[in-house]
Amino acid sequence: DTGVSQDPRHKITKRGQNVTFRCDPISEHNRLYWYRQTLGQGPEFLTYFQNEAQLEKSRLLSDRFSAERPKGSFSTLEIQRTEQGDSAMYLCASSLRRPGQGTGELFFGEGSRLTVL
Amino acid sequence: GESVGLHLPTLSVQEGDNSIINCAYSNSASDYFIWYKQESGKGPQFIIDIRSNMDKRQGQRVTVLLNKTVKHLSLQIAATQPGDSAVYFCAETPWGGATNKLIFGTGTLLAVQP
Repeated sequence: DTGVSQDPRHKITKRGQNVTFRCDPISEHNRLYWYRQTLGQGPEFLTYFQNEAQLEKSRLLSDRFSAERPKGSFSTLEIQRTEQGDSAMYLCASSLRRPGQGTGELFFGEGSRLTVL
Repeated sequence: GESVGLHLPTLSVQEGDNSIINCAYSNSASDYFIWYKQESGKGPQFIIDIRSNMDKRQGQRVTVLLNKTVKHLSLQIAATQPGDSAVYFCAETPWGGATNKLIFGTGTLLAVQP
């Protein structure tokens, strides 16, 4: 399977614990995005990377959230001191953006569902 | 604030009928629009896209119509099948924009009755 993969698919944790999600994008894609989706809502942008550089972060991304893409390949999203309001599906997407070209198609992973008790 | 929204949260159709899902957008800077399909427990899947220099684009059994005058987008699915049952989102972004950041609407649940 050469699509976007995310791990774990499901995570149940207690309030106050830290959790980390991993995303492996499509190998040749230089852009990687994190979105959050709550039930019945569309995905909301959190942050994105161009190669290893984190170029934009949403106001939704509080200081308890941190994302990295150290080698420009896989990415991790860590949530510290989780709160019940963090319960959501965390979606990763990747795309290939070539210089001088417009928006490329975003390919989404299956998501990591977080439940904070 | 600027947003993308859907008129109908739920659409129920009979198998074989045509489906039309509507979407309104408000960001005048957006000139690239995408429809995604999301099945239960899965990530969004690209269906079809359209740039603002077009008003219609067709794919396999799907057609997207764009009316820039009233900032309205629609997805037409021909001969709807049970496998089309899912939540459909429209999304927008500026073509050539630096971010590729998509703004999604709330979604419409399409229920296909056999």
